[in-house]
Amino acid sequence: DVKVTQSSRYLVKRTGEKVFLECVQDMDHENMFWYRQDPGLGLRLIYFSYDVKMKEKGDIPEGYSVSREKKERFSLILESASTNQTSMYLCASSFTGTAFSGANVLTFGAGSRLTVL
Amino acid sequence: GQNIDQPTEMTATEGAIVQINCTYQTSGFNGLFWYQQHAGEAPTFLSYNVLDGLEEKGRFSSFLSRSKGYSYLLLKELQMKDSASYLCAVLDSNYQLIWGAGTKLIIKP
Repeated sequence: DVKVTQSSRYLVKRTGEKVFLECVQDMDHENMFWYRQDPGLGLRLIYFSYDVKMKEKGDIPEGYSVSREKKERFSLILESASTNQTSMYLCASSFTGTAFSGANVLTFGAGSRLTVL
Repeated sequence: GQNIDQPTEMTATEGAIVQINCTYQTSGFNGLFWYQQHAGEAPTFLSYNVLDGLEEKGRFSSFLSRSKGYSYLLLKELQMKDSASYLCAVLDSNYQLIWGAGTKLIIKP
């Protein structure tokens, strides 16, 4: 069973703390993504990566950074957590190919719900 | 700007049929996706449309009209387990996904 695994389902952190969210996929996918999901809003892309050591900013990268040292692992880092970063964070992966081969279909992790106090 | 609109919430009865609409205005179009998300769980892929017309997969069907910027997801023979949020997303000309806010579907016995 293919999987995207996020290390923590629930985290509670204090303002100013550094936060690491880890994501691992076992499907040998090239592409990995970090989204945040808030009530009443669509999924918003924070960062994505098309290859090892490569990263691209999404729509809301401010306050976040990422790391992809290995193909299967994509980490999201909040350098100094703030209360407005309280959210559900979703990691996803996909493979590169033609649309009809199933490329661009995202497989999501179960999510990490972060509360910043 | 780019925009995806879908109803916030819908209610339907077990055994009935429900249609969830999605309209979009995006910079280019490379396909439209529907995902299902149960409360507290990850979104899971339901369907992909890139050509006009209806795609049927068991109880679920998805329709696309590119000229109208419109899609719908049709769920037949509703079951209680279909209670979930349904997310519409469009792949734009840069192959970036633009997401709607999701439609929460409530199924009543």
